[in-house]
Amino acid sequence: QSVLTQPPSTSGTPGQRVIISCSGGTFNVARNVVNWYQHLPGTAPKLLVHSNSQRPSGVPDRFSGSKSGTSASLAISGLQTEDEADYYCATWDDSLKGYVFGGGTKVTVL
Amino acid sequence: EVHLVESGGGLVRPGQSLRLSCVASAFPFSTSCMTWVRQAPGKGLEWVASISWYSTYIYYVDSVRGRFTISRDDAKNSLYLDMNSLTAEDTAIYYCTRSSGLGNYEFDYWGQGTLITVSS
Repeated sequence: QSVLTQPPSTSGTPGQRVIISCSGGTFNVARNVVNWYQHLPGTAPKLLVHSNSQRPSGVPDRFSGSKSGTSASLAISGLQTEDEADYYCATWDDSLKGYVFGGGTKVTVL
Repeated sequence: EVHLVESGGGLVRPGQSLRLSCVASAFPFSTSCMTWVRQAPGKGLEWVASISWYSTYIYYVDSVRGRFTISRDDAKNSLYLDMNSLTAEDTAIYYCTRSSGLGNYEFDYWGQGTLITVSS
């Protein structure tokens, strides 16, 4: 049972927009920045969004993050086949004194 | 180009020990914070342990505290994870990651991971 709650899966057709939610609590999402990672099995996870909504250099602007209160979300616009991957939210938890990850959301491009 | 290369994984028996290493290059290792993250088969990413620069701050997830020890050797640009009393629940791919700080900082670089299998 992850501290941060994500839907296990979502899907969309090419060009569609999908949104992945990340629900946390007072001591984690509400107080700290949320980061998002993209992970293709067998490869190194990749930083997709940091500080709630900032994209590292090289990440397409199709990916956008937001946060409000105890929840955060990652939106993928103009879905592409190469976006098929697992997506994780993560943040620091002041109570646990450690990082917490969401359970991950598998995005399938139909 | 930044590189993080993990090593030391393999098959071990329950109760045994193992040391993971991560060699870093192309970034200021001594002023970076380092973290181990793992992924068990069929499961999601799980934070394991973090160490700040100068080893001032060290944090562990509850499930490994007392069994695992994270450490660093800045002269060798290396991060370590000493793992004792291993159980089947520790079976996972272990990733080495970097951040500029601990807490409100992202893991901006990741290694390819090293697989540990704990089985009799």
